[in-house]
Amino acid sequence: TQLLEQSPQFLSIQEGENLTVYCNSSSVFSSLQWYRQEPGEGPVLLVTVVTGGEVKKLKRLTFQFGDARKDSSLHITAAQPGDTGLYLCAGGYSGNTGKLIFGQGTTLQVKP
Amino acid sequence: GAVVSQHPSRVICKSGTSVKIECRSLDFQATTMFWYRQFPKQSLMLMATSNEGSKATYEQGVEKDKFLINHASLTLSTLTVTSAHPEDSSFYICSARSRGETQYFGPGTRLLVL
Repeated sequence: TQLLEQSPQFLSIQEGENLTVYCNSSSVFSSLQWYRQEPGEGPVLLVTVVTGGEVKKLKRLTFQFGDARKDSSLHITAAQPGDTGLYLCAGGYSGNTGKLIFGQGTTLQVKP
Repeated sequence: GAVVSQHPSRVICKSGTSVKIECRSLDFQATTMFWYRQFPKQSLMLMATSNEGSKATYEQGVEKDKFLINHASLTLSTLTVTSAHPEDSSFYICSARSRGETQYFGPGTRLLVL
């Protein structure tokens, strides 16, 4: 069974703090996507990483794909209340009919 | 680019009736569409994979006769919940992909069965 362990599952922090969300697996992925979802809406793609060791930045968000392509992290610097939401990582396997394996999700609450 | 729409966004129906949900890729042709179900504060649960012109592939435990999927074109897939019951109440989300592994998600449909 292909699993993607995401942690932490819940995180409540104060505005201005930094945080990191992790996704780990024993399987190798050909790509890793990060999504953010707000209540009552669909997930919105933040980034796709495909190369081992790759680092991508999106304003205050930094995404990293592990060298072995088995893990990924999302780091948010100086979190703001607008960052509140459900963060999902999803791993893709080439030739797997395009299915994604989703992590359990991280519910982030940033308090003003 | 990569916009996916869903209709309706919310639906309330009586137990025993059927409900159809549409998923459209607006600005690209989707080789594959996916249907997910999501419970509150949980991750997405894949229900089925839909390819244009062929039968959908259902995940283990998902009743194909209850959740009918039709992928009529490269931009449209529909999910019909047949003989809906209160336990079918949930948030249903579709996604679409063209090439590669990135999926683009619709805004979701909230189904409430009374």
